[in-house]
Amino acid sequence: EIVMTQSPATLSVSPGERATLSCRAGQSVSSNLAWYQQKPGQAPRLLIYGASTRATNIPARFSGSGSGTEFTLTISSLQSEDFAVYYCQQYNVWPPSITFGQGTRLEI
Amino acid sequence: EVQLVESGGGLVQPGGSLRLSCAVSGFTFSRNWMTWVRQAPGKGLEWVANIKQDGRETYYLDSVKGRFTISRDNAKNSLYLQMNSLRAEDTAVYYCARDGVSGATVFDYWGQGTLVTVSS
Repeated sequence: EIVMTQSPATLSVSPGERATLSCRAGQSVSSNLAWYQQKPGQAPRLLIYGASTRATNIPARFSGSGSGTEFTLTISSLQSEDFAVYYCQQYNVWPPSITFGQGTRLEI
Repeated sequence: EVQLVESGGGLVQPGGSLRLSCAVSGFTFSRNWMTWVRQAPGKGLEWVANIKQDGRETYYLDSVKGRFTISRDNAKNSLYLQMNSLRAEDTAVYYCARDGVSGATVFDYWGQGTLVTVSS
């Protein structure tokens, strides 16, 4: 199992500021990395896949980067609706191996 | 509009069984891998199982192998999760999700979740 470690556990920022969230894989996952956003009482929402490709209808202020074992999700100018928990997820194409990070809570 | 609606959750005693269902609409169900992901109360996300379009390939989280069975009925646009020998640590909200990006096991549509509570 590939362990995914996110940091920090909680990130306190202000609206309009830039937020940088990190995700580290226990071994290389190439670019097989996705990011999700989850708000309280809601299902997760796919933001990024392939480490840097935005999913459909995701605003351009969300960007992903990295490969191998180190990945970053950047939110360029935080909006009030961006305060949520963010998860990274790795996926190996074959055999399927899917693990999530423990999450980063983005708060005001 | 793509919709996934889970049902079948509830309170069950340790060692008991439940069958979760996920009814989908708004896309051609038979074209996508499908997945179950769970989230224990106050905890993170955990992939549970997934199933190929024709149902002939399935994969499971190690801790549920031999106890859970994922299946699908493409004629009914439905996904299922049969859960046997349930344990307290299986308590979670269970989400069904669509594997919607070709060549990548990522989940672009999710249901609202159904809560499974395993307790005596």
